[in-house]
Parts: sequence; structure tokens; C-alpha cells
Amino acid sequence: KQEVTQIPAALSVPEGENLVLNCSFTDSAIYNLQWFRQDPGKGLTSLLLIQSSQREQTSGRLNASLDKSSGRSTLYIAASQPGDSATYLCAATDNYGQNFVFGPGTRLSVLP
Amino acid sequence: DAEITQSPRHKITETGRQVTLACHQTWNHNNMFWYRQDLGHGLRLIHYSYGVQDTNKGEVSDGYSVSRSNTEDLPLTLESAASSQTSVYFCASSPGNTQPQHFGDGTRLSIL
Repeated sequence: KQEVTQIPAALSVPEGENLVLNCSFTDSAIYNLQWFRQDPGKGLTSLLLIQSSQREQTSGRLNASLDKSSGRSTLYIAASQPGDSATYLCAATDNYGQNFVFGPGTRLSVLP
Repeated sequence: DAEITQSPRHKITETGRQVTLACHQTWNHNNMFWYRQDLGHGLRLIHYSYGVQDTNKGEVSDGYSVSRSNTEDLPLTLESAASSQTSVYFCASSPGNTQPQHFGDGTRLSIL
């Protein structure tokens, strides 16, 4: 059964810093992995989706990488801004579909 | 703009009652999902559908049912509400297994 963990649980950084959020999964036979952000009291916003055949995806200041063999994905945020403050969730499929297993999230605070 | 909407946004009900949460998307997506989010458990998959007349059980499906009679809607029914089903419920959709999932804003359900 797929299990997903995220480190750290919480992170506080000053504005302008580059940062890395980590996601680990136990079953390397994933179909894809998706990163989301969640603002308090809100739904999830899709950030990046990485297919199992891909190594990374980029969108603006965000870059997500995938290493299936080690069971890891990282989300890199460049030049962080206070508006980036949110909880970041990764989710990995446990079969050849979209049945996501979510990690517990990393709560990010970017201080002005 | 196409969107995914959940209703109601908040609901309070009593144990033993039947409750139905609505999810409607205007993207014409094939895949639709229901999740619940709880402190300490994160997001967990309840049921999912890959098309009309297709429904499948997720990790925490006991006490819940869904039906897919058209592309746009996937209502979630709690047959006999229990206090353990107090949670925030999220609906999501995607065009297919290689595409990102997009989430609604959630329904906060309290069962007294």
C-alpha cells in the first residue's frame, strides 16, 4: 500500500529565500505525482503534475522533480514571497490510475 | 469559465440521517473523485469515477455511496450519518489519468 510522507512538517523562511520541500513515497510503481497548495479554509490548487516517465516539471518560480528509484519528489520554490505562505501537499498514485495517496503536507510561512 | 462547485458549503445534521453532498463540474471531465480531510489523517479517497455509470471504492468508502448518471455530477451520499463522518469533504475532477486533478472549495459537514 502506498504511503506518502513530507518533510518538514512546517517551515518558516524570510522573503526572498529559495527553498525545497520534500515528499517521499514507498511504492515506486507510481503513475504520476502531483503537488498542490492549500490556503486555510480553501480547496486545493494544482501546482505541478509529474508523469512517471518525467524527471521534472517547471511552472514559473516552481520546479518539481521526481526520482522514482529513490521514492522521492522535491518542490523547489525560488525567491519566495509572502503570498507563497500555504500548506503544500504532494500526492502519489498507488496504481495505474489517479487514486492519489496524499502526504500530510508542509506548512510554509514566508515572512516579509 | 469552467469550474467545479460543491454544495452546500456547510451543513449540520444529526446522526442516522441520510445526507447528500453535491459536486458539479462544467469541464466535461471524465474522472471525478471524493475525498475527506481530517486532522491527523490528511486527505483520503472515498469514491471515484472514471466515467458515466462507473464508480469505484476508495480507501475509506464504508458508509458512503456515489452514482454517476451524467458527466457533470458525482453526488456523495451518507446513508446513515455517523459522528465519525464529521469532516471536510472535497470533490475533484480531471480529464484523464495523465492530467491534473482540480478541486472544489469543499463542504464542511458536522454530524451531531
